[in-house]
Amino acid sequence: EAGVTQFPSHSVIEKGQTVTLRCDPISGHDNLYWYRRVMGKEIKFLLHFVKESKQDESGMPNNRFLAERTGGTYSTLKVQPAELEDSGVYFCASSPSSGYGYTFGSGTRLTVV
Amino acid sequence: AQSVSQHNHHVILSEAASLELGCNYSYGGTVNLFWYVQYPGQHLQLLLKYFSGDPLVKGIKGFEAEFIKSKFSFNLRKPSVQWSDTAEYFCAAHGSSNTGKLIFGQGTTLQVKP
Repeated sequence: EAGVTQFPSHSVIEKGQTVTLRCDPISGHDNLYWYRRVMGKEIKFLLHFVKESKQDESGMPNNRFLAERTGGTYSTLKVQPAELEDSGVYFCASSPSSGYGYTFGSGTRLTVV
Repeated sequence: AQSVSQHNHHVILSEAASLELGCNYSYGGTVNLFWYVQYPGQHLQLLLKYFSGDPLVKGIKGFEAEFIKSKFSFNLRKPSVQWSDTAEYFCAAHGSSNTGKLIFGQGTTLQVKP
């Protein structure tokens, strides 16, 4: 079975630019999560989709971050405009509606310069 | 507030040494606990998990962890490490009634010298 796919794997952008990260979950997984790890800190929850609906977005840092999940399939996380403190590794994970089965992607390393 | 704390940020061991990585959690209600590993250049992988039952949990690659409720701890152990265990290890938790949102510890980087 294909795993969780994230792209790009790396992105370097200038402050003020826009970046869109994409996550393709495992087929059939209703739950999709975004996490972020800023250098030297712990991995922190950003938000959780159930199918196309946002179940919990309590971890989103501010309104410069916009997440969508079209048709309950892949998800995008847009940062607009990017700031220096947005640099970090953004992880996506998916899980089925029953059972554990939490699977992570390899992450996108975002560097804002 | 819900939190997970890992005591060691960087551990260096020689091959065949025993490993114990500390993890404490602060969580109201019933908690599910996990250890994840991230090998260089790879994605986070589940090593083991505890939901209920036997507090001594065995995972992949010879790892085990013990849930001690009275100490709010879930330490990871391995009797004899190998060079291939070099990786970053994360303890994580979520409430049994929540949506699956994980709370992570800060991570511990393990370096095993051959």
